[in-house]
Amino acid sequence: DIVMTQTPLSSPVTLGQPASISCRSSQSLVHSDGNTYLSWLQQRPGQPPRLLIYKISNRFSGVPDRFSGSGAGTDFTLKISRVEAEDVGVYYCMQGTQFPLTFGGGTKVEIK
Amino acid sequence: EVQLVESGGGLVHPGGSLRLSCTASGFTFSGYGMHWVRQAPGKGLEWVSCIGPGGSTIYYADSVKGRFAISRDDAKNSLYLQMNSLRAEDTAVYYCARSRQVDVWGQGTTVTVSS
Repeated sequence: DIVMTQTPLSSPVTLGQPASISCRSSQSLVHSDGNTYLSWLQQRPGQPPRLLIYKISNRFSGVPDRFSGSGAGTDFTLKISRVEAEDVGVYYCMQGTQFPLTFGGGTKVEIK
Repeated sequence: EVQLVESGGGLVHPGGSLRLSCTASGFTFSGYGMHWVRQAPGKGLEWVSCIGPGGSTIYYADSVKGRFAISRDDAKNSLYLQMNSLRAEDTAVYYCARSRQVDVWGQGTTVTVSS
């Protein structure tokens, strides 16, 4: 199974300041079809998960452009350019390249 | 509006069974692979199972293999998860999600396994 490791576990951020979350996979996420199925999800308190970014860097419909994804191979990053109050929650990376699909352990973003 | 709505959760004794349903609307259900993902209380996300378009391919997490069965009825725009031999560690909110990108999620249904 592909292990997804996220850092940090927790990220206290000042409103308006940037935040960055890293995700490392135990093996390459490049699929045989050439795509890299690395997604980022946001889960606000009491809510289901919501897709933010798919295939490393593609923002899903309705996602603000302050969210961006980057990376390749086994190392990936989610950046929030200016954190807003509504961004509080837990963020997960997920690989969809190989079954079983696996998630990172989550990073809690909170306001200082 | 693209939507997934889960149902069928509840309280069940260890060793019991439960059938979850997920009803889709707003998109062509038959064209998508569908997943079940669960989240134990206070924990992270765990993928459970996936079924491809038309039911052609099925995968399970090792933790549920042999106990859970995923199925779909495209005529009813519905996804199912038959859960047998339930254990305390199956207690979780169960979500259905669409596609390899998990781009659409339902609100979840809660399964509690307890005596």
